[in-house]
Amino acid sequence: RKEVEQDPGPFNVPEGATVAFNCTYSNSASQSFFWYRQDCRKEPKLLMSVYSSGNEDGRFTAQLNRASQYISLLIRDSKLSDSATYLCVVSLITGNQFYFGTGTSLTVIP
Amino acid sequence: GAVVSQHPSWVICKSGTSVKIECRSLDFQATTMFWYRQFPKQSLMLMATSNEGSKATYEQGVEKDKFLINHASLTLSTLTVTSAHPEDSSFYICSADDTQETQYFGPGTRLLVL
Repeated sequence: RKEVEQDPGPFNVPEGATVAFNCTYSNSASQSFFWYRQDCRKEPKLLMSVYSSGNEDGRFTAQLNRASQYISLLIRDSKLSDSATYLCVVSLITGNQFYFGTGTSLTVIP
Repeated sequence: GAVVSQHPSWVICKSGTSVKIECRSLDFQATTMFWYRQFPKQSLMLMATSNEGSKATYEQGVEKDKFLINHASLTLSTLTVTSAHPEDSSFYICSADDTQETQYFGPGTRLLVL
């Protein structure tokens, strides 16, 4: 079983739409959770960390559900520039190794 | 945010040659760096964890004699793909840990082996 699983999409949404991505992780000992954004042929860049209490950064909201072992990312009022692949990332505190989901592709359409 | 550089950004080589990729943390010291590989339309796969001053830790299925890692200083780790073959063609990305549980990624190196 994969450490991290995501729906690969693609998600094609109109500008202004709200879109949500989910991600599940298999290791209950996982300690840190992140969403990264990867543009085509570029390296991943940190979008936001995910905390148990949930956190919001502008149009982006991340939630963590430890009991069900899933993480979500909500994007409100989608912009064309949000088009990218969103990677769910989980790490065990020991060794600080990161495990990546396969990524969810988002295309925001004018 | 922290900056990580990689060099070269792309390389084309003949089958059988060795290719060295450098990863540098430019404005912070990184005792741990990570090397990933990403094939088209797939996620990043961790290859190995590079620890300054000690041997790298390789993930299962990654040949340590083929992918040589050296982490000689707190700001530099190198990955050498020895005797590269076409199946080694991929996007290689390094990342460095800033000890704040955040990894910063280099821009990646595209390797094409002919």
